[in-house]
Parts: sequence; structure tokens; C-alpha cells
Amino acid sequence: AQSVAQPEDQVKVAEGNPLTVKCTYSVSGNPYLFWYVQYPNRGLQFLLKYITGDNLVKGSYGFEAEFNKSQTSFHLKKPSALVSDSALYFCAVRPSNRDDKIIFGKGTRLHILP
Amino acid sequence: DVKVTQSSRYLVKRTGEKVFLECVQDMDHENMFWYRQDPGLGLRLIYFSYDVKMKEKGDIPEGYSVSREKKERFSLILESASTNQTSMYLCATYQTGTFYGYTFGSGTRLTVV
Repeated sequence: AQSVAQPEDQVKVAEGNPLTVKCTYSVSGNPYLFWYVQYPNRGLQFLLKYITGDNLVKGSYGFEAEFNKSQTSFHLKKPSALVSDSALYFCAVRPSNRDDKIIFGKGTRLHILP
Repeated sequence: DVKVTQSSRYLVKRTGEKVFLECVQDMDHENMFWYRQDPGLGLRLIYFSYDVKMKEKGDIPEGYSVSREKKERFSLILESASTNQTSMYLCATYQTGTFYGYTFGSGTRLTVV
């Protein structure tokens, strides 16, 4: 079955330190990969996507993600965390052979400590 | 930018009531989706629609129905609300043939008492 895994329910990082939020996937073909962020009582906001090309993609708010095909991973990173980065982050995958449904991970809550 | 509007941010309903959640998009997207979000369970797909009057069941359709009479509007209906339907409901849209992900509405937090 096709799936997305975010192995950490929570990640805590001190402000100013680098952060990583992990994501691995299991889908056939060459998928499209996404990260979304959700602030309290709001919908999901698009952060970045990988479709093809350079394995390191840059997105909103200084975030970037690294696609690793051999490890089937798409980890979200930021060199220096801000308290305002505290939110719920979702990894998502669109299987390349399906033009509609996206599969979401269960989310990782990121806490940035002042 | 696509705007996806959900009519209510917060809603409180009584058990047994019929509940309508409305979602309207202002671009010409064919595909619309309803998800519910619960802590620890992530997003679960309830129903989706790829055209007017078309609908398909998602992963958890029981207790819900949908209506899409116009391209821009996708309604989620709880026929007889129950307390286990207390949740955050998210509407999303997607344009067929593009390489982008979904655009989400702000969500409706429904409490059934």
C-alpha cells in the first residue's frame, strides 16, 4: 500500500538551531512531494514541493527540503529555527500515476524553544 | 491565487442534527475534497469530487454525504450528527493537469454536543 511516514510526533529545537522534520514515503513510480504547515485553528499552507530536478528545493519562510530517491525520503530543514516556526507540519505525496489524490503523513508538531 | 472559503470557522451542533458544511472556491478547479483532521490521525479523506454532480467516497465516508451542484461549491453533509464527528473539517481544491498540490480552506472546527 502507498503511504507516507513521519516518524516523529513531536520535534523540539532551541531557537537559532538547525531543525529537521523527517518524512519517508512508499509509492510506486516518481512521485511529487510536498510539505505543508498548519498554524493553530487554520487550514494547511503550502511550503514547498519537489517534482523533478535539483534534489534540494527551497520554499517559503526559509525552509528547504532534500529529496533522496534511494532512501525514499524528503526531510524538511531550516538552518536557523525561529519561535514563529512552531506549528504542525505535514509531508504529502502525489503518486505520479494518479492525477488526483494526495497521501498525507500524520503530521509532526514542531516546538521551537526560546 | 486560488481562494478556498469555508463558510464557518467554528460550529456547535446538537446530536442528531443535520449539518451542512460549505466550501466555495473562486478559481475553475475541477477537483474538490473534504478531509477531517484529528490529533494523531492526520488528515483522512471523506469524499471528493472531480466534476459537477460527480462524487467518490474517500477512506471514511460513513455518516457523511456530499453535494456538488455547481463547480465552485462542494458541500459536506452530516445526516445525523454524532459526538464522534466532532473534528476539524478541511476543504481542498486541485486543478487537473497541474503539478501543484492542494489549496486548502481555513477549516471548520465542528463540535457536536
